[in-house]
Amino acid sequence: NAGVMQNPRHLVRRRGQEARLRCSPMKGHSHVYWYRQLPEEGLKFMVYLQKENIIDESGMPKERFSAEFPKEGPSILRIQQVVRGDSAAYFCASSRTSGGEKLFFGSGTQLSVL
Amino acid sequence: TQLLEQSPQFLSIQEGENLTVYCNSSSVFSSLQWYRQEPGEGPVLLVTVVTGGEVKKLKRLTFQFGDARKDSSLHITAAQPGDTGLYLCAGSLSGSARQLTFGSGTQLTVLP
Repeated sequence: NAGVMQNPRHLVRRRGQEARLRCSPMKGHSHVYWYRQLPEEGLKFMVYLQKENIIDESGMPKERFSAEFPKEGPSILRIQQVVRGDSAAYFCASSRTSGGEKLFFGSGTQLSVL
Repeated sequence: TQLLEQSPQFLSIQEGENLTVYCNSSSVFSSLQWYRQEPGEGPVLLVTVVTGGEVKKLKRLTFQFGDARKDSSLHITAAQPGDTGLYLCAGSLSGSARQLTFGSGTQLTVLP
């Protein structure tokens, strides 16, 4: 887990507010992945990004969710107008390449929607 | 329906016992990984298996990839309380880290 930094660790939002989750990949890693984990479920792929590009967003809900990985700064997962069903742990992972090598996960952001 | 089915879902054993957890699918995977996740933390990769029939050992943990690359098992010998955690298998259909498919996990509790 060392090196992938996610913040905040815990985020509480009321229905209708926006949630912004940040992820700084490990040094030297240019590939970022976002996963969502619901209680007693495995991690579900959401989106895969490289610097300034969204490569695969097939796991992202079509509305309210967006992700970016700018040239400078962390990757951001943004959820607009949150609903209770968005409550989950959101994990970011990074890798040096996309070629099936080791993924390093952050400690996650636990989003709670009241 | 889960692409990867893990069993058992929950397992509670005494320190010193042996155990095996399973990861099964009807799909063929290019590679399969096992992770361990502790509460409030992200998953940590334990091993990657690539070749059908492959066996890898990591101290007291033995990982096996099925001959047909559709299933895998994790065997722990002489379990210790420090082995407690959620064990997740994850398969790659394309051989790439992108879009790993995770199983729902086996929650292991080792009692002292």
